[in-house]
Amino acid sequence: RKEVEQDPGPFNVPEGATVAFNCTYSNSASQSFFWYRQDCRKEPKLLMSVYSSGNEDGRFTAQLNRASQYISLLIRDSKLSDSATYLCVVNMHLGDSSYKLIFGSGTRLLVRP
Amino acid sequence: DAGVIQSPRHEVTEMGQEVTLRCKPISGHDYLFWYRQTMMRGLELLIYFNNNVPIDDSGMPEDRFSAKMPNASFSTLKIQPSEPRDSAVYFCASSPSGGSDTQYFGPGTRLTVL
Repeated sequence: RKEVEQDPGPFNVPEGATVAFNCTYSNSASQSFFWYRQDCRKEPKLLMSVYSSGNEDGRFTAQLNRASQYISLLIRDSKLSDSATYLCVVNMHLGDSSYKLIFGSGTRLLVRP
Repeated sequence: DAGVIQSPRHEVTEMGQEVTLRCKPISGHDYLFWYRQTMMRGLELLIYFNNNVPIDDSGMPEDRFSAKMPNASFSTLKIQPSEPRDSAVYFCASSPSGGSDTQYFGPGTRLTVL
């Protein structure tokens, strides 16, 4: 089983649609969670952190379910500029006090006019 | 402030040649990471440093790969000899503190080995 699993998509949605991405992770000791965005032929950039209570940043809402080891990202009122690949990122405990980030393979979103 | 700087941005080389990728992290960041991204395997962590010391190199594919960080503002990833399967985008990232902190990526080096 992969450490972080995502549906690769692509999700093809019209402008204004609401779209949700899901992600599951295998390490129950993980404590930090993120969504990164990567545009075509560009570097990944942090979109938002994911907190236990859920958090919202404008049109973007992230949720965490520790019991099911599941993270979600909801995008409301999709814009053409939201077209990108969304990477689910989870930290993995290395057995001491150190961690490293594990990146999912990404979910590709295409927003059409 | 300047972000993470990588050079070269593109590298085309022939199999068997030595390749050196360079990275300058954001000033003041204690952690530096080298990643490789391919369509098949996604984004993979190769190695990371804390205060110039390699902490975890378990992702380095084989002995042909080596990484150094001689000071806080410079790191290299070297492949010798290079092979076609090394073709990928190599990203360097830095982080203020801790492997769980936000990582800031450089623009990447697109490597093609013929």
